[in-house]
Formats: sequence, structure tokens, C-alpha cells
Amino acid sequence: SYELTQPPSVSVSPGQTARITCSADALPKQYAYWYQQKPGQAPVLVIYKDSERPSGIPERFSGSSSGTTVTLTISGVQAEDEADYYCQSADSSGTYVFGTGTKVTVL
Amino acid sequence: QLQLQESGPGLVKPSETLSLTCTVSGGSISSSSYYWGWIRQPPGKGLEWIGSIYYSGSTYYNPSLKSRVTISVDTSKNQFSLKLSSVTAADTAVYYCARHISMVRGVIDWFDPWGQGTLVTVSS
Repeated sequence: SYELTQPPSVSVSPGQTARITCSADALPKQYAYWYQQKPGQAPVLVIYKDSERPSGIPERFSGSSSGTTVTLTISGVQAEDEADYYCQSADSSGTYVFGTGTKVTVL
Repeated sequence: QLQLQESGPGLVKPSETLSLTCTVSGGSISSSSYYWGWIRQPPGKGLEWIGSIYYSGSTYYNPSLKSRVTISVDTSKNQFSLKLSSVTAADTAVYYCARHISMVRGVIDWFDPWGQGTLVTVSS
């Protein structure tokens, strides 16, 4: 089955840059999407189509893609960015798949 | 502002059918631009897409759950529903409904916004 692999955790100091990777285990790689989930809350879309930012999402959130890996970058991390982050894509049959999730800790 | 709200029993017995409804407010479920989806998250674990439906009734299911899932839509009530049969403890999860934005189905799709989620526990 199609899998999206993320690092389990990323730790970063306030004001620094956090980078979260999401690697697909097969080609072709479809577009990727990123969601932020704070404890006890529903996921919120922060990036769509690899690098587009929805209205209302701070500019410090950005996305990029290279080969079968996509990256979510949070520049100038703030305490409020502490959350779980999930990538999402689709496999070749059109089944939507979420990544394994990354917990971002702000030190 | 579009809002989604899940409702249904929080406790289901093993082998029975889980039934949830998502009520959409602030927009029409009959919009031709969107699908409507269900996603679940077991406690402490990641997200799993269950399936999605178009206002016309066309459905798309996760193959891993397809034999047990039925998603339906009631445009008159601006609601869509999930039924999951023959549940076991492995189906215990927070169930979310979400608007499924599809520019090219199966290629360019994402979920936004999401409902707050509802915890369903499978236990006797």
C-alpha cells in the first residue's frame, strides 16, 4: 500500500526554522497537502497543492517539493505552532492517504 | 463561514453498525464544486480517510473499509451520513466530517474545513 513517511518528532526553539518532511514510497507523487492539529482539536489545512497557502494561514508556513519528498517549513516558529502535522496525498487508485504525523515541539 | 458538525451515538456494541451524521451550515451541500468526506483518527494515532460523497450520491470509499462502509447524502437537510457495519474495537476513533475539495478527483484533492469530531467507542 501507498505510504507517506514523516519523522515522528521535530524540536525547535522559538524564532528558529522547523522543517518537516513527507516522503512517498512510490512514484508518481501527487500533490501534497499539510494539516496542523492541536491537542483535542480538528486538523486545519495549512498548505495545499505542495506550496499554496490558504487565506488566514500565516506567511511563516510554506511548502516545497522535490522528487518524492515534500517539505513543510515553519519560519520563525512561535509557541502557538506546537502541534501535530500531517501530510496528505493520493495513491494511483485515487485513495487518499495521510502521513504518519510529526509532533512539533517548541522548546 | 462554512461549518460542519458531527452527531451520533458515542458508544456502539461490537458487531453492530456505527451511524453518524454531519450537518453542514453556512453553505449548500449541493454545491457542484465539492465532495463531502469522512475521516477517522484512533486515539493517539494518525488519520485515515474513510470515504467521500458528491451531492448527486456518487461515492468513493477507502478500499480497506469499502465492504463495511456506506455514505449517503440528504440534500434537503444539508446533511450527509456514515454507516460502518460489523464494528470491532479497532473502529474506536474520533470521526471527522470535512468538505472535500476536488479539482481533479484522485489527483488534486484536499479536506477543508473539518468538523470538530466525535469520539465513537466500540465496547460491550
